[in-house]
Amino acid sequence: AQTVTQSQPEMSVQEAETVTLSCTYDTSENNYYLFWYKQPPSRQMILVIRQEAYKQQNATENRFSVNFQKAAKSFSLKISDSQLGDTAMYFCAFTIRGAQKLVFGQGTRLTINP
Amino acid sequence: EADIYQTPRYLVIGTGKKITLECSQTMGHDKMYWYQQDPGMELHLIHYSYGVNSTEKGDLSSESTVSRIRTEHFPLTLESARPSHTSQYLCASRRTWGTEAFFGQGTRLTVV
Repeated sequence: AQTVTQSQPEMSVQEAETVTLSCTYDTSENNYYLFWYKQPPSRQMILVIRQEAYKQQNATENRFSVNFQKAAKSFSLKISDSQLGDTAMYFCAFTIRGAQKLVFGQGTRLTINP
Repeated sequence: EADIYQTPRYLVIGTGKKITLECSQTMGHDKMYWYQQDPGMELHLIHYSYGVNSTEKGDLSSESTVSRIRTEHFPLTLESARPSHTSQYLCASRRTWGTEAFFGQGTRLTVV
């Protein structure tokens, strides 16, 4: 079974700081995608960043980057120069090749303080 | 803005009533999903579909049912609502396995 674990229920940092959210996953498959999604308060869930498992290079989207460690089955999200608008629930998600399901972790509630 | 819509946004209904939560997308996506989001915000997959006339139960047992008669439409029905069904329900769709999933704004259901 595919599982995703986020071990940090809540995190809080000051504006402009860098924060790293952790995610680990478990699968015996070799071809899969990993995602980070953001759910701001009372707003729609949106994609932050996506990583293909067969690409060794870590994905980057502006202030957001990942540290993908395939052997360790780890997929952490780093937010640089954090902003108040980054306050949200962050979900790590995972899907294997050809699978129908998109499996989510438990979520991390991130608060950026002014 | 994602082209996936859920109605109603909020619903308060009495125990025993039948309800249907609507979800529609205009992106032509084959794969659609229903998630139940509990107060702790964790997402639980309750139903999914990979095309017309195909539906499957998810990881969390649910008394709800779904149908997929048209590609764009994936409604969720509760035949007899109970207070334990009180939750937020999120609908999502995606084109294929490795692509981005788009989410609706959710329906917050309260059963009294």
